[in-house]
Amino acid sequence: EDKVVQSPLSLVVHEGDTVTLNCSYEVTNFRSLLWYKQEKKAPTFLFMLTSSGIEKKSGRLSSILDKKELFSILNITATQTGDSAVYLCAPYGGATNKLIFGTGTLLAVQP
Amino acid sequence: EAGVVQSPRYKIIEKKQPVAFWCNPISGHNTLYWYLQNLGQGPELLIRYENEEAVDDSQLPKDRFSAERLKGVDSTLKIQPAELGDSAVYLCASSSRTGPSYEQYFGPGTRLTVT
Repeated sequence: EDKVVQSPLSLVVHEGDTVTLNCSYEVTNFRSLLWYKQEKKAPTFLFMLTSSGIEKKSGRLSSILDKKELFSILNITATQTGDSAVYLCAPYGGATNKLIFGTGTLLAVQP
Repeated sequence: EAGVVQSPRYKIIEKKQPVAFWCNPISGHNTLYWYLQNLGQGPELLIRYENEEAVDDSQLPKDRFSAERLKGVDSTLKIQPAELGDSAVYLCASSSRTGPSYEQYFGPGTRLTVT
């Protein structure tokens, strides 16, 4: 059975802190891994990772994939209150080729 | 570019009543998805359409759920009859590329409460 585990489940930090969110997966027919940010509405796309060891960056956010150890991390530097959200990790694959979402990490950034 | 549009945004119904959700994907996106998201969980795929064809409906509870995408553009998801356990957010997403990996763009969702 395909499995996605995100840690920590929740995290409270202060503005300016750096955070690392973890995602480990066991997914058959793995193709890629996507990260989404979900505030009080729809998940919004952050990154898609297909190759090991190649960091993707967007402003203060960066992410990397390790296909050998089956995990990915999402880093956020100099956090801001607007970063408060649930961050969802979603490997793409499985028996029917679909996104398999984790339960997410709830990040709260305090002023 | 307009995003994925869903309606209604909120719906409250009594159990055993029918309910329908509507989704209009991003223009030109041929792939459309319906997801269910329970509180504190990630979205779970219910059905995926490639144009008019439902190519993956393995997770759709077909005894009470149905979906259609007649002209390969907008789509409707129906529940009949609704049960208390159907209370959740129903998300629609679309994507423009088929293949092994792609980005999906989500709509704002419909929050269903069954009383």
